[in-house]
Amino acid sequence: AQKVTQAQTEISVVEKEDVTLDCVYETRDTTYYLFWYKQPPSGELVFLIRRNSFDEQNEISGRYSWNFQKSTSSFNFTITASQVVDSAVYFCALRAESGNTPLVFGKGTRLSVIA
Amino acid sequence: DTAVSQTPKYLVTQMGNDKSIKCEQNLGHDTMYWYKQDSKKFLKIMFSYNNKELIINETVPNRFSPKSPDKAHLNLHINSLELGDSAVYFCASSPWDRGLLGYGYTFGSGTRLTVV
Repeated sequence: AQKVTQAQTEISVVEKEDVTLDCVYETRDTTYYLFWYKQPPSGELVFLIRRNSFDEQNEISGRYSWNFQKSTSSFNFTITASQVVDSAVYFCALRAESGNTPLVFGKGTRLSVIA
Repeated sequence: DTAVSQTPKYLVTQMGNDKSIKCEQNLGHDTMYWYKQDSKKFLKIMFSYNNKELIINETVPNRFSPKSPDKAHLNLHINSLELGDSAVYFCASSPWDRGLLGYGYTFGSGTRLTVV
């Protein structure tokens, strides 16, 4: 079975602070895909990044960066110099290659960035 | 062009009514899904259809019945609505090809259902 744990339920930071959202996953598959989605107050789910299990390179996109470590089954997300517009619920998700496994989400981390 | 479109965006109805939510995708994907997001924001898979065939049916009351007339449409019909059905329902689609699993899902904008 696949499982995603986001231990941080809510985080509050002051604007311009850096913040890291944690994600730990469980799967027995050797091939799998990890994702981060953002859900702003308007409610839609916005895709941020995907990473496959064979690619442990970290990625940076503007103020966003992702740290994938298979050894600790973690796929953490860091926002540098946070802004009020970053306030949202962030979901980590996992999809294994085997069978008909659907995309499994963590419970989300609500990030509030205060001006 | 909206890739995955759901209608309606908001639905307020009384307990006991029957309602439907429609979903259409124009991405040419083979697989479509319904997810439920509860008040605590938890996203849980309900159903999945591949090319009109049901492939995932999680533990969902049988008052919920998905219908897929073709691979571009997956509608959700709910009978005898209950207060606990109030939630946001997301439709999504993805390619079926194993080599394309990493493309993830494309989500609709959600339907907020409120049962009063």
